Amino acid sequence: DAGVTQSPTHLIKTRGQHVTLRCSPISGHKSVSWYQQVLGQGPQFIFQYYEKEERGRGNFPDRFSARQFPNYSSELNVNALLLGDSALYLCASSFVTQNNSPLHFGNGTRLTVT
Amino acid sequence: RKEVEQDPGPFNVPEGATVAFNCTYSNSASQSFFWYRQDCRKEPKLLMSVYSSGNEDGRFTAQLNRASQYISLLIRDSKLSDSATYLCVVNLQGGGNKLTFGTGTQLKVEL
Repeated sequence: DAGVTQSPTHLIKTRGQHVTLRCSPISGHKSVSWYQQVLGQGPQFIFQYYEKEERGRGNFPDRFSARQFPNYSSELNVNALLLGDSALYLCASSFVTQNNSPLHFGNGTRLTVT
Repeated sequence: RKEVEQDPGPFNVPEGATVAFNCTYSNSASQSFFWYRQDCRKEPKLLMSVYSSGNEDGRFTAQLNRASQYISLLIRDSKLSDSATYLCVVNLQGGGNKLTFGTGTQLKVEL
């Protein structure tokens, strides 16, 4: 079975541009979460979607937005990119949205903003 | 104060050594606890959940002390393949999939 897949794997953008990152969860998983991991830090929670509805939002500015589609895939959008947005963006899926439901992470999208 | 605090390391240990990692969390409402492993430039992977009674998985033992808000991971008989960053992770009650990660502790196992 395919794991969580993310695209693209690497991306270089300039300040002020917009970026869209994509994620396909494991088949049967209905919950998708997004995390940002800056070099040397642990991942930070950005969003969670379950059954196409936002179920949680981390402490990120409104430049960050996301959505989940009927097939449970998800997009993360970041507008007006800043240098500080350079990070590894991780998508994780789980079957349900309960506390101890194991999260399965994708390989991530490495975004560099110049 | 960070929500989850870990010593970043690195911990350099010889093969076969026993190594212990510690972690403290600030929110007493934290309900679920985990250790994740992350290899260089890879995604985090669940190593083990941590239960109040303590739990063991082969060479790995995890302990939780709710009163002290303290979590530990013990690795016995270290292997070269254990070299990675170990992330301490907590989840609030009702937090869904909102995991709070520590910065991670880097382990290097050497010959």
